Amino acid sequence: DGGITQSPKYLFRKEGQNVTLSCEQNLNHDAMYWYRQDPGQGLRLIYYSQIVNDFQKGDIAEGYSVSREKKESFPLTVTSAQKNPTAFYLCASSRDRGASGTNVLTFGAGSRLTVL
Amino acid sequence: AQSVSQHNHHVILSEAASLELGCNYSYGGTVNLFWYVQYPGQHLQLLLKYFSGDPLVKGIKGFEAEFIKSKFSFNLRKPSVQWSDTAEYFCAHKLIFGAGTRLAVHP
Repeated sequence: DGGITQSPKYLFRKEGQNVTLSCEQNLNHDAMYWYRQDPGQGLRLIYYSQIVNDFQKGDIAEGYSVSREKKESFPLTVTSAQKNPTAFYLCASSRDRGASGTNVLTFGAGSRLTVL
Repeated sequence: AQSVSQHNHHVILSEAASLELGCNYSYGGTVNLFWYVQYPGQHLQLLLKYFSGDPLVKGIKGFEAEFIKSKFSFNLRKPSVQWSDTAEYFCAHKLIFGAGTRLAVHP
C-alpha cells in the first residue's frame, strides 16, 4: 500500500543532543511537509519542500533542519537549539507542489519525541 | 500572519445529536479550506475541502461544511452523530491548522 512511513514511532533523547526523524513516502508526491503537534495548539508547520534539493521555512523553523536529497525522503533534524523539542511530529506529503494552499495532505503516523 | 481559530476544544454529545464545529480563518487572498479528522489510533485524513463554487460542501461519512465569506467561517456539521465519529477534528486554511476539537460521542 502507498503511504508515508515515519520512524521511529517513539524516541527518547537527552537534552542537548540532536535527533533525526525519518519520513519516507512511496506515493510519488512532489511536496513534503513537517508539522509539530502540541496539545491545544494544533499543527504548526516547521518546514516544507516542493521539490528535491529545495525547501522553505514554515512558522516555527528555528531549531530544526531538513534535507530533501531524494523525492521519497524528507528527514527532520531536531537540533539542540530547539528550546522545547518534546512533541509529536507529523510528516505529510501532497501530490501537487506549490504553496498555493490547494494541496491535500496525506499524513504519516507520527513520531513522538521526548527529551529528558 | 494567517491564522485559523476553532471555537470549541472539547465537545461531548450523545448519539443522534446534531454537531456543529466552528472554524474561522484570517483573510489570506484565495480561499483554500479543509477539515481533517484523526480517529483514535489512525492517521490524520481529509474529511472535506473547499476551494470555490457551491459554499455547501459534502464530505465523507455524512459530514458537510458551509463556507460563509462574510464571516470568514467554515463550520463543520453533521445532522446525527454516531459513536464512531469520536475523533479530533482540525480545520485548516491552506497550510495553517487550527488547534483542533476533540469530539466524544457517547452511546
